[in-house]
Amino acid sequence: NAGVTQTPKFQVLKTGQSMTLQCAQDMNHNSMYWYRQDPGMGLRLIYYSASEGTTDKGEVPNGYNVSRLNKREFSLRLESAAPSQTSVYFCASSLGLVGTDTQYFGPGTRLTVL
Amino acid sequence: AQSVTQLGSHVSVSEGALVLLRCNYSSSVPPYLFWYVQYPNQGLQLLLKYTTGATLVKGINGFEAEFKKSETSFHLTKPSAHMSDAAEYFCAVIGGSNDYKLSFGAGTTVTVRA
Repeated sequence: NAGVTQTPKFQVLKTGQSMTLQCAQDMNHNSMYWYRQDPGMGLRLIYYSASEGTTDKGEVPNGYNVSRLNKREFSLRLESAAPSQTSVYFCASSLGLVGTDTQYFGPGTRLTVL
Repeated sequence: AQSVTQLGSHVSVSEGALVLLRCNYSSSVPPYLFWYVQYPNQGLQLLLKYTTGATLVKGINGFEAEFKKSETSFHLTKPSAHMSDAAEYFCAVIGGSNDYKLSFGAGTTVTVRA
C-alpha cells in the first residue's frame, strides 16, 4: 500500500501559468481533501470531496478548482498562478466525512510562483 | 467555529529530557482533538487522537496527551526525548461528531540537543 501519493513533488511556475496537482489514494477511502501549508499558519483546507462525484469549498478556495476524477483520484488546479499561491500543498484522505475518521496525508507538493 | 493555539513556535530540549508541547483549543461543542507530526520534507502523520472516553491518550513513539476540559487544553508530552523526535508538531481540533473539518494550530518545531 502506497497510501496517499502526490505528483509532482516540486514545481516552479511563472505568474499567470496554470498547472494541476495530482493526488491518488489506494486505501479505498471515500473522502479526500486539499490543504495548503504556510509558515506560521498551520494547514488550511482549500477544497474537499465527501465522496466520488461531490466537491465543496473549504476555508481558502479562491484561485483553485478541483476534480474528483474517481474514487481514488482528486486533483487541484491553479488556472492562473499568483505569487500568493506559493506554498506546500497536501492531499489527504479519510474513510468518511466523520470526525473520528483519521485523515491520512500525502508527502506534499512544494510550489513556487515567481 | 473551532480554533487551536499552540504556545511556542519553537521548543529546544536535550536528549533524554521531557518534551512538553502546549495546545489550547476553543470549541462550542465537545471536541475531537489530534496531534500530528511532520518530519522534514514529509507529510503529516497522526501521533494520537482523543474522541471520547479516557482523557489520557497514548500514541505512537512514546507520546501521550491529556484532554482537560476545564482548561480547554490538550498538551502533548514525552518523558524522554530522542534525536528522532526532531520534527514539527501540529495540534488540530474537530468540532465533535457532526464535524469533519480539521482546524490546525500554527505548529511547534522541536529540536533535540545531543
